[in-house]
Amino acid sequence: ETGVTQSPTHLIKTRGQQVTLRCSSQSGHNTVSWYQQALGQGPQFIFQYYREEENGRGNFPPRFSGLQFPNYSSELNVNALELDDSALYLCASSSGDRVGAEAFFGQGTRLTVV
Amino acid sequence: AQRVTQPEKLLSVFKGAPVELKCNYSYSGSPELFWYVQYSRQRLQLLLRHISRESIKGFTADLNKGETSFHLKKPFAQEEDSAMYYCALRSGGSYIPTFGRGTSLIVHP
Repeated sequence: ETGVTQSPTHLIKTRGQQVTLRCSSQSGHNTVSWYQQALGQGPQFIFQYYREEENGRGNFPPRFSGLQFPNYSSELNVNALELDDSALYLCASSSGDRVGAEAFFGQGTRLTVV
Repeated sequence: AQRVTQPEKLLSVFKGAPVELKCNYSYSGSPELFWYVQYSRQRLQLLLRHISRESIKGFTADLNKGETSFHLKKPFAQEEDSAMYYCALRSGGSYIPTFGRGTSLIVHP
């Protein structure tokens, strides 16, 4: 069984630009969630997709958007990048959105906005 | 609003000593509580969850609703326990988890 993979591992963007981060879910998982982890902080929930539909969203502005594809891979898009968007972005997949489902995390994408 | 507080940023102990990583939460309903661990250069992974009432790698955590706590305990720390530990809460029926800021555990030989 393959794990959760994210690409790219590192990325540098300029303020105002747009970025797309990618996540490949673990085999058999139909739920994916995205997190932002600033330095010295815990992961902060951005949103979750279940079978291609967003079914939960954290306190992030609309310029953070996502997609989940039929093969359950996912993208996180951030428009109009700001310096504060610099962080580690984590993707996690799980099997279903049931209570207690274990989420498996990717290694993350380190985004630096200059 | 739900909140998770891990009061200690860093916890340093010697091998064989007992360990308790504190986690307090604020939520009025029925929460699900989790502990996640991140070893050096590895990805974040689930350690244990309160609904399972299990012991993983010698760690246990009991949900205390009266004190709104979910402290992680191990009677005898090992060097390989050195890692970053995150407490997380998910409110019943919601899929939005809230993580604490994490506690770095260092176990000295």
